[in-house]
Amino acid sequence: DADVTQTPRNRITKTGKRIMLECSQTKGHDRMYWYRQDPGLGLRLIYYSFDVKDINKGEISDGYSVSRQAQAKFSLSLESAIPNQTALYFCATSSQGRTQYFGPGTRLLVL
Amino acid sequence: AQSVTQPDIHITVSEGASLELRCNYSYGATPYLFWYVQSPGQGLQLLLKYFSGDTLVQGIKGFEAEFKRSQSSFNLRKPSVHWSDAAEYFCAVGDITPSGGSNYKLTFGKGTLLTVNP
Repeated sequence: DADVTQTPRNRITKTGKRIMLECSQTKGHDRMYWYRQDPGLGLRLIYYSFDVKDINKGEISDGYSVSRQAQAKFSLSLESAIPNQTALYFCATSSQGRTQYFGPGTRLLVL
Repeated sequence: AQSVTQPDIHITVSEGASLELRCNYSYGATPYLFWYVQSPGQGLQLLLKYFSGDTLVQGIKGFEAEFKRSQSSFNLRKPSVHWSDAAEYFCAVGDITPSGGSNYKLTFGKGTLLTVNP
């Protein structure tokens, strides 16, 4: 089984809809991160969490919210999706601030 | 603020040829540096990392990278490229967060797409 899983893997939604992307990990890591990837722009950090009670905004948090339900679960929500949120979203985890391990990604299309 | 520059958007090499992918960073302190690879339709896989110590770092799949503080560079190399190395490569720098210690967040370059010709 994969150490970092993301659901769904693909999602098509309409402008204005609320959607949630979920991330789970079995690595026992305390740090979790959400990134988005756009062609030609690399990956940019949306939110990060160093433990269950710690949530921090990243570089591009506007239009997104997160929830750390447990050490192993970190969800990303788009309260009202817009087309420029169409992207590939990655969850990552790390322990003690060391190497980050990435999930397989969720491809989101907002129409 | 920290930043990472990968000057080459797309590189094409022949199978068996040597490879060097360039990465320059901007960061005030000693950086944590990483190279990740993303194969088509896949997530990111860590190739290698530099935290401290020996400036020549060995990674998986025959890759290595050298940290040169004077040039603010962390270039990735491989002596002989295989067709399976075709992918997109990302350099990243770890930025220590305000909470300090070993907590950091990654800033990525925009990536270099590698094409391998048979």
